[in-house]
Amino acid sequence: EDKVVQSPLSLVVHEGDTVTLNCSYEVTNFRSLLWYKQEKKAPTFLFMLTSSGIEKKSGRLSSILDKKELSSILNITATQTGDSAIYLCAVEAGGHFNKFYFGSGTKLNVKP
Amino acid sequence: GAVVSQHPSRVICKSGTSVKIECRSLDFQATTMFWYRQFPKQSLMLMATSNEGSKATYEQGVEKDKFLINHASLTLSTLTVTSAHPEDSSFYICSAFGYGYTFGSGTRLTVV
Repeated sequence: EDKVVQSPLSLVVHEGDTVTLNCSYEVTNFRSLLWYKQEKKAPTFLFMLTSSGIEKKSGRLSSILDKKELSSILNITATQTGDSAIYLCAVEAGGHFNKFYFGSGTKLNVKP
Repeated sequence: GAVVSQHPSRVICKSGTSVKIECRSLDFQATTMFWYRQFPKQSLMLMATSNEGSKATYEQGVEKDKFLINHASLTLSTLTVTSAHPEDSSFYICSAFGYGYTFGSGTRLTVV
């Protein structure tokens, strides 16, 4: 059974802390792994990872994929209250037609 | 865990015909369901929000007569693309809110 598991389910930190969010997957015909930030209306795309070991970075956010361990992490350094959101991990599977498998998300709450 | 089943995974239809996509929460009751459309660069656009037993709330720019949403029960929401045109070809994803956001695996619509 294809699945994506995120941990922790929720996290409370203080401004300035560094957080690491985890995503592990068991998906046939892996094509890519995507991270989204969901605040209000629609998940905002953060990163797409296809190659193992190559870190992608955007400001205080970074992410890396480990295909051997079937996992990815999303790091946020110097967190701010505006980082409070649900972070979603999704794996795109290829094959005959592509499918997306979403994790249940990690709810991050950054306190002042 | 919470599971959302979305069908079909892929559909090819002729221009001018209508297509129905189903989103079903399998083991929980979803008071609210969301429909998204994926655009290039992996971004997701919220099309509409549906609450069981009431009319869907459409986002600005989304034609409600073209994208008919029905949320007849706490476990089923449907999106019907009426009089489909090639520009409607896209990837459509639903999510259901029960204990959190649970996403379906998506539907690839190709209009020829």
